[in-house]
Amino acid sequence: GESVGLHLPTLSVQEGDNSIINCAYSNSASDYFIWYKQESGKGPQFIIDIRSNMDKRQGQRVTVLLNKTVKHLSLQIAATQPGDSAVYFCAETRTGGSYIPTFGRGTSLIVHP
Amino acid sequence: IAGITQAPTSQILAAGRRMTLRCTQDMRHNAMYWYRQDLGLGLRLIHYSNTAGTTGKGEVPDGYSVSRANTDDFPLTLASAVPSQTSVYFCASSDSNGGAYNEQFFGPGTRLTVL
Repeated sequence: GESVGLHLPTLSVQEGDNSIINCAYSNSASDYFIWYKQESGKGPQFIIDIRSNMDKRQGQRVTVLLNKTVKHLSLQIAATQPGDSAVYFCAETRTGGSYIPTFGRGTSLIVHP
Repeated sequence: IAGITQAPTSQILAAGRRMTLRCTQDMRHNAMYWYRQDLGLGLRLIHYSNTAGTTGKGEVPDGYSVSRANTDDFPLTLASAVPSQTSVYFCASSDSNGGAYNEQFFGPGTRLTVL
């Protein structure tokens, strides 16, 4: 079946390093992708999104890259800080359908001071 | 109210009891969702509603029911709770904006334990 998954369940980095979290998707019809951050004990929060007509989008310290050829999505966090420690989820959906996103399992990012 | 709220924050429930988890949003979003989150399994969709008056089944709907009588409220009911329904439940909403999907806003969650 179609799925969204993450390559690494846990990523440990040092404060100040750049972090890269990866996500694979299998449905070529997906046209909208979202990254969420979930801190311990809280609900997921939107970080950044990208639509299929783009291959890169930048936010504050975060960049999302979309490679439709290999169905791959990544989230890059620059100068990672302890406050970035959280679980990161990617989600994909297809506009024109029932708008229900499919979430990956999540990657736990641990930032060491 | 600002955003999306859930009640209760946590609950311990005896098996067989009926329980309703409440969710309210003040953003006038047309779409709302209920997810459960279990360790290692990520977020799994239980039920959703694209607009007031309509609901649909998600990935794991058995044992749960929902209603959407108005735009703001989307309660989730467990008719007869079982221990496998022990989980953290998240409500979310989004503005589907005439077909273009937008990001979801999540509530703080309800931690439910069924004994």
